[in-house]
Amino acid sequence: IAGITQAPTSQILAAGRRMTLRCTQDMRHNAMYWYRQDLGLGLRLIHYSNTAGTTGKGEVPDGYSVSRANTDDFPLTLASAVPSQTSVYFCASSDGEGEAEAFFGQGTRLTVV
Amino acid sequence: GQSLEQPSEVTAVEGAIVQINCTYQTSGFYGLSWYQQHDGGAPTFLSYNALDGLEETGRFSSFLSRSDSYGYLLLQELQMKDSASYFCAVLNDYKLSFGAGTTVTVRA
Repeated sequence: IAGITQAPTSQILAAGRRMTLRCTQDMRHNAMYWYRQDLGLGLRLIHYSNTAGTTGKGEVPDGYSVSRANTDDFPLTLASAVPSQTSVYFCASSDGEGEAEAFFGQGTRLTVV
Repeated sequence: GQSLEQPSEVTAVEGAIVQINCTYQTSGFYGLSWYQQHDGGAPTFLSYNALDGLEETGRFSSFLSRSDSYGYLLLQELQMKDSASYFCAVLNDYKLSFGAGTTVTVRA
């Protein structure tokens, strides 16, 4: 089934450790996004990519980095995790510039202790 | 930057009509989308308005007024399965940014 796959589904991580959340899509979508969701704050954009080879900062980029080496993969890296990065992380993709319909993965629940 | 305002909670009975308003401030506005999320699962796309007016998709309709920076999602003939969180989102400068969400609770 076509869609977006995120891994891991959940993770408990010690503070200070490095962690990469994986996101792969098989819809050949140009645009990809990473969001974090915290209670009462909705979905906040961390980083995005409009096409392979380009990335941009969203609302809350600090402490996170991304890369877009190819169309399908958009990993999110926490270089040195802190407890405030405890959240549910969603990866999404859309067909291209100006395309409003985004498809979301099932999320990664990350707890930093 | 951008900001989106929507009510945090709405409660209604089965069969009722609910309107969720969304006001936004942003630059480079392309359009307003609505998403539904059940129990913290993956958000799913409901509708998109790029032009002023009403878009109808079954029991759900969405409206946009670009001059007022305002839109709404109308849920008609509410069903228990409509209990969920609903997010408005603006597409601007090729980025999709979301509001904090409205939790809709449907009571029997």
